[in-house]
Amino acid sequence: EVQLLESGGGLVQPGGSLRLSCAASGFTFSSYAMSWVRQAPGKGLEWVSTISGSGGGAYYADSVKGRFTISRDNSKNTLYLQMNSLRAEDTAIYFCARDRSPSDRSFDLWGQGTLVTVSS
Amino acid sequence: EIVLTQSPGTLSLSPGERATLSCRASQSVSSNYLAWYQQKPGQAPGLLIYGASSRATGIPDRFSGSGSGTDFTLTISRLEPEDFAVYYCQQYGSSPRTFGQGTKVEVK
Repeated sequence: EVQLLESGGGLVQPGGSLRLSCAASGFTFSSYAMSWVRQAPGKGLEWVSTISGSGGGAYYADSVKGRFTISRDNSKNTLYLQMNSLRAEDTAIYFCARDRSPSDRSFDLWGQGTLVTVSS
Repeated sequence: EIVLTQSPGTLSLSPGERATLSCRASQSVSSNYLAWYQQKPGQAPGLLIYGASSRATGIPDRFSGSGSGTDFTLTISRLEPEDFAVYYCQQYGSSPRTFGQGTKVEVK
């Protein structure tokens, strides 16, 4: 079955760190760019970061640049998001998502999400 | 950054009725790289339409997308009970990829 499964969310204090994981199965993981998209409670969707299939290119939203690092391990079919210097406004459900193709970068596959809460 | 504005914020309709959702961009969307997603409570979004008018795999033909440049529309020809949800548009032709704020389609 083609699926994405996130893990690693939880409660963290402001200024703290957390690493999210996204395990992929059912498709050739290394062939696809992958992204993180977040959704604050009761709010809309916000693109956070994207990494190319090879891992050679990474892109970030201005709101997380310098604090978050996206990475991937194609041998383990796993995507990561290292989140440092967390702020209250980073509280959200974090989804991992797959680019549909190299020529069409809509998100055609989503995980179920993992909740990150930043609070003292 | 391209800002997407969706209207209306909420659409109150009955099953069987036609739904028309609008997405307007602050500048032209490159190559009509515009997608529509459906999100139900407690679930992840799901891709409905990509490239402004192409249906994603498994999406019924009552869903259709149209438009170009700065004005895009998602039409649901006849609402089924399972279609009541929040719908988001997204542009992916320019970085950063941005989403609209969403339109909620609710039961009248």
